[in-house]
Amino acid sequence: AQSVTQLGSHVSVSEGALVLLRCNYSSSVPPYLFWYVQYPNQGLQLLLKYTSAATLVKGINGFEAEFKKSETSFHLTKPSAHMSDAAEYFCAVSDRGGGFKTIFGAGTRLFVKA
Amino acid sequence: DAMVIQNPRYQVTQFGKPVTLSCSQTLNHNVMYWYQQKSSQAPKLLFHYYDKDFNNEADTPDNFQSRRPNTSFCFLDIRSPGLGDAAMYLCATSKSSGARDQETQYFGPGTRLLVL
Repeated sequence: AQSVTQLGSHVSVSEGALVLLRCNYSSSVPPYLFWYVQYPNQGLQLLLKYTSAATLVKGINGFEAEFKKSETSFHLTKPSAHMSDAAEYFCAVSDRGGGFKTIFGAGTRLFVKA
Repeated sequence: DAMVIQNPRYQVTQFGKPVTLSCSQTLNHNVMYWYQQKSSQAPKLLFHYYDKDFNNEADTPDNFQSRRPNTSFCFLDIRSPGLGDAAMYLCATSKSSGARDQETQYFGPGTRLLVL
């Protein structure tokens, strides 16, 4: 069965500092992996997704994530945080050929301090 | 711009009074999803339509139903809302190539349901 664990329900960084949001997954088959961002009272927006091409995936707004099979991880990073990055971030997994079920992690709220 | 639209953005209903939430899309995607998201929790898939085929998640309560009259529209009906059904309801769409692999989902802004 698939599962996603996001380490840290809240992460606080200073503006300009490195953002690191952690995600570990469990999947019995090679997975698709996603990071979504959610701003208050809005829907989810895709930041990036891993579909078995390059293990380092670049997304929108300067975010990237690296797929590490040996560590079953897909951590999200951004070199320099901006105030506008403050939001909730969800890691998600779905199985290849497994239909349309996506499992979301519990989310990590990112705070950016001026 | 192509998008996923949800109306209304906020819905107040009374305990036990049926309510319908609406979703429309201009993306011409063949898959549509409904998620329930409670405060500070992950979105939870309730069901999805693959074209006209309805797929219910095993743990979705019978109180929740859905209709998809055409490609563009999908409705979520809550037959007898309880206090525990207060949540954000998210509609999403994706375009399936037929391989039944997960394509990118595009989400609407959500409808926040309040049950009094």
